[in-house]
Amino acid sequence: AQTVTQSQPEMSVQEAETVTLSCTYDTSESDYYLFWYKQPPSRQMILVIRQEAYKQQNATENRFSVNFQKAAKSFSLKISDSQLGDAAMYFCAQGNTDKLIFGTGTRLQVFP
Amino acid sequence: GAVVSQHPSRVICKSGTSVKIECRSLDFQATTMFWYRQFPKQSLMLMATSNEGSKATYEQGVEKDKFLINHASLTLSTLTVTSAHPEDSSFYICSASQPNRGRNQPQHFGDGTRLSIL
Repeated sequence: AQTVTQSQPEMSVQEAETVTLSCTYDTSESDYYLFWYKQPPSRQMILVIRQEAYKQQNATENRFSVNFQKAAKSFSLKISDSQLGDAAMYFCAQGNTDKLIFGTGTRLQVFP
Repeated sequence: GAVVSQHPSRVICKSGTSVKIECRSLDFQATTMFWYRQFPKQSLMLMATSNEGSKATYEQGVEKDKFLINHASLTLSTLTVTSAHPEDSSFYICSASQPNRGRNQPQHFGDGTRLSIL
């Protein structure tokens, strides 16, 4: 069975600081991808970053980067230079274009 | 690019009413669309997957006669909640993907519909 676990229901960070959100997953698929989505209070789901499981190099998108540990099935998100606009629910997801499994989410608060 | 429009954004109606929610891909052809349900402070739960021109595939526990899905074109999928009751109140989100462009393509989400049944 495919599962995605986010063990941090809530996290907080001060503006301009760095925060890391954790995610672990389990799958029997060999061809899969990993995603982080952001859901602000407006409830829209916004893609933050994605990682192909067959790539060893960690994905980076401006202030957002991942630490992908395939053997440990771990996929954490690092947000550098946090901004007030980063405050949102963050969902880790695993799968591919046919189906995604989402974690339970981490609520990130950013303090000025 | 990859914009998905969902309409309406908010619906309030009486118990027993049927409600239709539309999901449109505005600038790409979505061969596959997904419908999710999200309860307050919870994650997205996949309800069904619809492929253009074929019947939707429902997840276990989702009543196909209750939640009718139609994907008649490459840019439009609809979810109809039939004879809605208060327990159907929730936030419904659609997404669309282009699997013909590769399995790593992300899903693009609509803004969601908040359904409240009185």
